[in-house]
Amino acid sequence: DGGITQSPKYLFRKEGQNVTLSCEQNLNHDAMYWYRQDPGQGLRLIYYSQIVNDFQKGDIAEGYSVSREKKESFPLTVTSAQKNPTAFYLCASDFREVNQPQHFGDGTRLSIL
Amino acid sequence: DQQVKQNSPSLSVQEGRISILNCDYTNSMFDYFLWYKKYPAEGPTFLISISSIKDKNEDGRFTVFLNKSAKHLSLHIVPSQPGDSAVYFCAASARSFGNEKLTFGTGTRLTIIP
Repeated sequence: DGGITQSPKYLFRKEGQNVTLSCEQNLNHDAMYWYRQDPGQGLRLIYYSQIVNDFQKGDIAEGYSVSREKKESFPLTVTSAQKNPTAFYLCASDFREVNQPQHFGDGTRLSIL
Repeated sequence: DQQVKQNSPSLSVQEGRISILNCDYTNSMFDYFLWYKKYPAEGPTFLISISSIKDKNEDGRFTVFLNKSAKHLSLHIVPSQPGDSAVYFCAASARSFGNEKLTFGTGTRLTIIP
């Protein structure tokens, strides 16, 4: 089955630690995205990548970093510089073609201990 | 500046009746609009989309209407079923202008009453 796999489902971080969230897709999609969802808010774009070895900042990139070494993988690192990291993180991907929807993984919930 | 707005945080509808969810946008460059459905602790699921060259798109029980002059779109669900209870997000992008990023609204929680 093709899809987007995010792991882990739940993640806990101590103050001052960096953590990396995994996102893998086997849909052969060109572009991948990371979003953050907070209670009562929509999804806000953190970073996106349209091709391998290239990525751009979204609307709330501060305190986050990404890499895109393979087409299938787009890991997100939440650094200690991110002051309010507790949130639900969603990864998405699409074909970059006009009028094709983004498809989402099931998310990772990050909590601070 | 919120470019995509869903002004109703919640909506309750009787089972079998029509559910109408609304979305307004301010960016006139948006040309592709989507609706997603989301259950708690899961990722959004794509429902239906519409490009700006159309004013209506239908898929089974779901129909999306686009009014470009009013910068307004709506999702109609007929008939509403208990499994439709979820949070619905509208989203928009300016793909024809090379901007593939989606801008999301804040969501409307739909509750179907049996």
